[in-house]
Amino acid sequence: QSALTQPPSVSGSPGQSVTISCTGTSGDVGNYDRVSWYRQSPGTAPKLIIYEVSNRPSGVPDRFSGSKSGNTAALTISGLQAEDEADYYCSSYSSSSATYVMFGGGTKLTVL
Amino acid sequence: QVTLKESGPALVRPTQTLTLTCTVSGSSLTSFGVRVNWIRQPPGRALEWLARIDWDDLILYSTSLMTRLTISKDTSKNQVVLTMTNMDPVDTATYYCAQMGRGWQFDDWGQGTLVTVSS
Repeated sequence: QSALTQPPSVSGSPGQSVTISCTGTSGDVGNYDRVSWYRQSPGTAPKLIIYEVSNRPSGVPDRFSGSKSGNTAALTISGLQAEDEADYYCSSYSSSSATYVMFGGGTKLTVL
Repeated sequence: QVTLKESGPALVRPTQTLTLTCTVSGSSLTSFGVRVNWIRQPPGRALEWLARIDWDDLILYSTSLMTRLTISKDTSKNQVVLTMTNMDPVDTATYYCAQMGRGWQFDDWGQGTLVTVSS
């Protein structure tokens, strides 16, 4: 069982917006702006799309945005495109005694 | 941006020790800000962070696995090595190395190497 909770799947039609949530605790998401998001297509390595809650690396379209409220972070993808279909993972620094980095269980985005 | 590439055996037997190598190019392992991590992903499952080694030799481990893990670096070859002892079939996974930025994000990833544990 992953430490950060994500919905297993979300879906949307082309042009719509979808939001993927990532819920942690005060020991990770809630008290640290060290939340990042990754996109992973089948058979490939994850790719960073958001870091420090809401920052986009160069080359990532502004259709991708991140936010945080309390213990929950969120990734919003607007203007959905067919190529956005992939698995999305959140990650956070953690002050837990168990680990320094938590990952979410992943969310499969289906573009209808 | 750094480029990372993992290498190691595709198959290991239960109870054996796994040794994986991450070859880094584009930056020296002793350069400020270089933080190389190991992350694994069992087939069809989520990512799991394992360990990290920094340019200044800071080392961090996942507590749940730290008794089985050793991370080190060979600066002459610009390589980071991860060993994991007492391998079990549940350790079957794709193992990635990745460069971490100062915000604890993984900026760059290797292609990954699939390790199967089976007798």
